[in-house]
Amino acid sequence: QSALTQPASVSGSPGQSITISCTGTSSDVGDYDFVSWYQQHPDKAPKLMIYEVSNRPSGVSNRFSGSKSGNTASLTISGLQAEDEADYYCNSYTTSSTHVFGTGTKVTVL
Amino acid sequence: QVTLKESGPALVKPTQTLTLTCTISGSSVSAGGMRVSWIRQPPGKALEWLARIDWDDDEFYSTSLKTRLTVSKDTSKNQVVLTMTNMDPVDTATYFCARTYSYSYYFDYWGQGTLVTVSS
Repeated sequence: QSALTQPASVSGSPGQSITISCTGTSSDVGDYDFVSWYQQHPDKAPKLMIYEVSNRPSGVSNRFSGSKSGNTASLTISGLQAEDEADYYCNSYTTSSTHVFGTGTKVTVL
Repeated sequence: QVTLKESGPALVKPTQTLTLTCTISGSSVSAGGMRVSWIRQPPGKALEWLARIDWDDDEFYSTSLKTRLTVSKDTSKNQVVLTMTNMDPVDTATYFCARTYSYSYYFDYWGQGTLVTVSS
């Protein structure tokens, strides 16, 4: 199972919107709506930000939103803030009943 | 309050077997819909999913590592155990356990992680 493809880095100025893509295949992202997104600050455990493509857990800012089209899922952060600077990973359930993570994206707030 | 905590050796030698334990509080490993996964992250690199055990004892493994991994659970202690055989320096990583609940497939609670270094 190959890792899902994410851009290595995305940057934006405070207040701007950015979008991170996550490209898989018809055996993972394309076959299920079980895509989730995680935020990870340095030396911390990942934190769930989006589940099942577009759902936000309680306590996560509504500046975070998710979507999917075909084999590609996306995470959008609107109104970018300094605290959003972190690494972001997507994850998908697969047709093999396993999970696969993305390659990770470093978000920089300029 | 759900918490997960990983424990195990910080240092293992090449070819040795690693055993890690995930102790869970606030959520039963045998409750319907409960799943616990192991995930690792080499220093400076991406997350990698390793294995999962479900409430009904079904086990699932990463295709690339399945020959080296075993996951099990101890319901009396509410723990999940991962063993990885034939450790190599490339297995140096922080190992996390994470909960999936309500028959879903996302990780809502994570342990803090434990760094395992493989070196002679």
